[in-house]
Amino acid sequence: GAVVSQHPSRVICKSGTSVKIECRSLDFQATTMFWYRQFPKQSLMLMATSNEGSKATYEQGVEKDKFLINHASLTLSTLTVTSAHPEDSSFYICSATMTSGGRGDTQYFGPGTRLTVL
Amino acid sequence: EDQVTQSPEALRLQEGESSSLNCSYTVSGLRGLFWYRQDPGKGPEFLFTLYSAGEEKEKERLKATLTKKESFLHITAPKPEDSATYLCAVRFASNTGKLIFGQGTTLQVKP
Repeated sequence: GAVVSQHPSRVICKSGTSVKIECRSLDFQATTMFWYRQFPKQSLMLMATSNEGSKATYEQGVEKDKFLINHASLTLSTLTVTSAHPEDSSFYICSATMTSGGRGDTQYFGPGTRLTVL
Repeated sequence: EDQVTQSPEALRLQEGESSSLNCSYTVSGLRGLFWYRQDPGKGPEFLFTLYSAGEEKEKERLKATLTKKESFLHITAPKPEDSATYLCAVRFASNTGKLIFGQGTTLQVKP
């Protein structure tokens, strides 16, 4: 139980293009989903928190117009990196917390998406 | 300022050599301390949640303990497959479910 998937696992794109990353909770409904980025040999940095049906809350310093988050259902959140540049290259990871059952505050993580912008 | 610090940054052990990883925190109103394991190129895998001082959780060769200021992840007789980065994260009362992560401890277990 508590499986989170991400798609795609890897993406390479040209500078200036947009990339969409999907995060799905496969066997539970997620109250809240979180988006992180992780640079090599560094810990996870929270980018934004999203709740189904409402606008995402972004962390200080994260551009909301660049990193668009949509949480359309209790099992799906998407992160779109708009007009990507090489400095956006990173490992993007999502997590989700359950709406019911177990402990609602445990975050279960997806496998991550490696974005490379050329 | 709320902070989570893990030590050591890196740890090399021989197979079977037990040791402990430390996670110290300075937060107000702790609402959960979480341990995760992360393998290279993958997302963190949930291990344990601890909520109150004195609490302990065990899973195979791993045991997590919690005091009012720190948590330990004890690894008993580790095997090479235990090699990974272990992340500690804290949820505190003044936020809305967000976690503050430590920098992690990278463990290497040699056969």
